[in-house]
Amino acid sequence: EIVLTQSPATLSLSPGERATLSCRASQSINIYLAWYQQRPGQAPRLLIYDASNRATGIPDRFSGSGSGTDFTLTISSLEPEDFAVYYCQQRSTFGQGTRLEIK
Amino acid sequence: QVQLVESGGGVVQPGRSLRLSCDAYGFSFNNYAINWVRQAPGQGLEWVAVISDDGTQRYYADSVKGRFTISRDNSKNTLSLEMKSVRVEDTSVYYCAKSLFGGVLGAFDVWGLGTLVTVSS
Repeated sequence: EIVLTQSPATLSLSPGERATLSCRASQSINIYLAWYQQRPGQAPRLLIYDASNRATGIPDRFSGSGSGTDFTLTISSLEPEDFAVYYCQQRSTFGQGTRLEIK
Repeated sequence: QVQLVESGGGVVQPGRSLRLSCDAYGFSFNNYAINWVRQAPGQGLEWVAVISDDGTQRYYADSVKGRFTISRDNSKNTLSLEMKSVRVEDTSVYYCAKSLFGGVLGAFDVWGLGTLVTVSS
């Protein structure tokens, strides 16, 4: 079974800064990785699928990259609403999440 | 408007049964696999089960295999999760989530708001 490891567990940044979140798979998953954002009290929202494709309606400050075992979600300039928990996912497996908090 | 609406959550005693439902609106329900994903209080996301668009394929997480059954009624645009022999560790918000593409597992592009199941004596 594939294990997804996200780092860091918590990332403290200020609005306007660049955020880089990592997801590492225990074995190669090609490009089959998705990223989700979950704000408090809300359902998850799909941001990125197939490693680098933005989902419908997602702002272009969100971008995804990677293939094989190493993947990155980048938020180019943080907006106040971006502070949330982010999960990566491959098929039936989710990472443990990265909490993006305001510094 | 594309949406999923879960119902059926509540408080249930350990060892008892509960049935969750998910109603779909605004898309061709019978063209997509649908999943259940749960989230224990303060914890991360855990995939629970998936059913293919035509209902012929069903897969479960090891943690619920043999206790939970996923089903769908394409004539009513409804998904169900029958939960039997529930355990305290099944306490979670349960989300239904639509697969982005036609395949059984992949990204989940539409999520419901969730329904809370609390297993407690």
